Amino acid sequence: NAGVTQTPKFRVLKTGQSMTLLCAQDMNHEYMYWYRQDPGMGLRLIHYSVGEGTTAKGEVPDGYNVSRLKKQNFLLGLESAAPSQTSVYFCASSYNRVADTQYFGPGTRLTVL
Amino acid sequence: RKEVEQDPGPFNVPEGATVAFNCTYSNSASQSFFWYRQDCRKEPKLLMSVYSSGNEDGRFTAQLNRASQYISLLIRDSKLSDSATYLCVVNEATGRRALTFGSGTRLQVQP
Repeated sequence: NAGVTQTPKFRVLKTGQSMTLLCAQDMNHEYMYWYRQDPGMGLRLIHYSVGEGTTAKGEVPDGYNVSRLKKQNFLLGLESAAPSQTSVYFCASSYNRVADTQYFGPGTRLTVL
Repeated sequence: RKEVEQDPGPFNVPEGATVAFNCTYSNSASQSFFWYRQDCRKEPKLLMSVYSSGNEDGRFTAQLNRASQYISLLIRDSKLSDSATYLCVVNEATGRRALTFGSGTRLQVQP
């Protein structure tokens, strides 16, 4: 039982490049989330999903897209990376309510030059 | 105004000390409250939920004051291993089915 995993762990991009971050969970959770964490800002919600095939915008969705084609996977895409997207990205999942415990992946450290 | 506000610290305390953190939230309709712990360069993990009547888990006590819209976390007999950032988390009961995280309070327990 791996919990929540994220791929890759580290990445350096040049401005304008694209990439996809993969999140996978093996706990059969309905809800999945993508956050970014910047110094002094705390965790900010980018997008979330309450079930397979559904996605919704969070607090800071601009510049990101997501897909939830399979229940266990939640992908975060950056179409044209910008230096402002340099951050640590965390994926999380929870069972089937907002108030359920959120289980986080280990994070992806992204630097955009 | 931030939806969930915390003193960033750091709180530097000696081993064995008692330390308390507060957190305020802006949405009076908020329904659920939590404390998460985040170690340096690691992911957040749930420490404890916060119930209306207050609750305790070993050395940790959480309390909720709905009238004043604040949540507190008390740590007794601090250990070196308690050194971490403590995140206050609120379910704001908006249309968005997600939690709102505070930016965290850093605790450093010293020998």
